[in-house]
Amino acid sequence: QQPVQSPQAVILREGEDAVINCSSSKALYSVHWYRQKHGEAPVFLMILLKGGEQKGHEKISASFNEKKQQSSLYLTASQLSYSGTYFCGTETGNAGKSTFGDGTTLTVKP
Amino acid sequence: NAGVTQTPKFRVLKTGQSMTLLCAQDMNHEYMYWYRQDPGMGLRLIHYSVGEGTTAKGEVPDGYNVSRLKKQNFLLGLESAAPSQTSVYFCASSYSDSGRDYNEQFFGPGTRLTVL
Repeated sequence: QQPVQSPQAVILREGEDAVINCSSSKALYSVHWYRQKHGEAPVFLMILLKGGEQKGHEKISASFNEKKQQSSLYLTASQLSYSGTYFCGTETGNAGKSTFGDGTTLTVKP
Repeated sequence: NAGVTQTPKFRVLKTGQSMTLLCAQDMNHEYMYWYRQDPGMGLRLIHYSVGEGTTAKGEVPDGYNVSRLKKQNFLLGLESAAPSQTSVYFCASSYSDSGRDYNEQFFGPGTRLTVL
């Protein structure tokens, strides 16, 4: 069961903040976030593990609510380089088996 | 380090033809994955491997086969290509950490496949 991301798309001005949400119908072991620019491969941003461990990008933060089976990615003081499609991936138990959401397209304008 | 590489970058097939996509990683990662990404959509896991000699089905395995004979290589095969398999195919790898099974995935540049 793939996770559901919201919103599907968001448009910002430079310096504004954004929140992207990822929710699952199953209990989660981990959530990871990637950014993909058009025509390129996804690039790792952040991973959040059951129990609170986090690892990721310096300027991007995220939360993981295990009880609600949700994660949120916080992009603060957005820059033009933040534009792209953001995907969350989740693991629900089988080591190695990841399921990705359909993505949130972020456009940052000058 | 080259990271994750994929061969070929582009390919056009006719319906019914077969082909093999090669993924190679030089990071000594245990886990490797094959995904497909259709336009405007997310990544769909086709097959994955948690170690040399082992493979498992993902979300959309039908019409594909895989092999992991060497730790650094993961091959994806299409035995009889169909237009529905037109997509961008990404390979990824990740490491196994003691006490933690889930780590970030490193993606290859992708293979753009068109089936006519």
